[in-house]
Amino acid sequence: ETGVTQSPTHLIKTRGQQVTLRCSSQSGHNTVSWYQQALGQGPQFIFQYYREEENGRGNFPPRFSGLQFPNYSSELNVNALELDDSALYLCASSLGERLGKSEAFFGQGTRLTVV
Amino acid sequence: DAKTTQPPSMDCAEGRAANLPCNHSTISGNEYVYWYRQIHSQGPQYIIHGLKNNETNEMASLIITEDRKSSTLILPHATLRDTAVYYCIPRGRGSTLGRLYFGRGTQLTVWP
Repeated sequence: ETGVTQSPTHLIKTRGQQVTLRCSSQSGHNTVSWYQQALGQGPQFIFQYYREEENGRGNFPPRFSGLQFPNYSSELNVNALELDDSALYLCASSLGERLGKSEAFFGQGTRLTVV
Repeated sequence: DAKTTQPPSMDCAEGRAANLPCNHSTISGNEYVYWYRQIHSQGPQYIIHGLKNNETNEMASLIITEDRKSSTLILPHATLRDTAVYYCIPRGRGSTLGRLYFGRGTQLTVWP
């Protein structure tokens, strides 16, 4: 148990639709990162939020967007879903912006299937 | 961040030591070596990290070569529950803490 919870656990959407995934970070953690993991691949960094602002982004198009709330929970929104967006979406929480004693703790992920 | 090379798969008998290698020949002086693992259908789990000294915790030991171009993660007494994909990830001091660059990792299979 990492204290990071994601919802929903599974989701099926149709191509072209929009989806919102949610993440509650571990108590006391102020940084949330999102990852996409396609089948057979390692997780790929999407973006990170620190104190409610985006703080770094990977190679993902603008239709991937996010929010972080004052309680440090976070949402990942994906617009205009494509079949290739089918993946496991992982959320990780950590304390602080810079490398330190706190490691990144991951949730169990949301399995998104786009049909 | 430095690139890494890990064998795609390894296996190990239960109760024996599992030694997982990682080559990170382009690592820079300020980059730590982090290890995570991912058990099937779960999120990645932090194992251990180090800069240049060997490290040990309750989960594993990390041996880093003197030139820091490679490292080995050691699970001293592997169990069936250690079956997972293991990722070696160099990360710099300036990296934002949550940003991890995963490769394909090594699939470790522990057999009874």
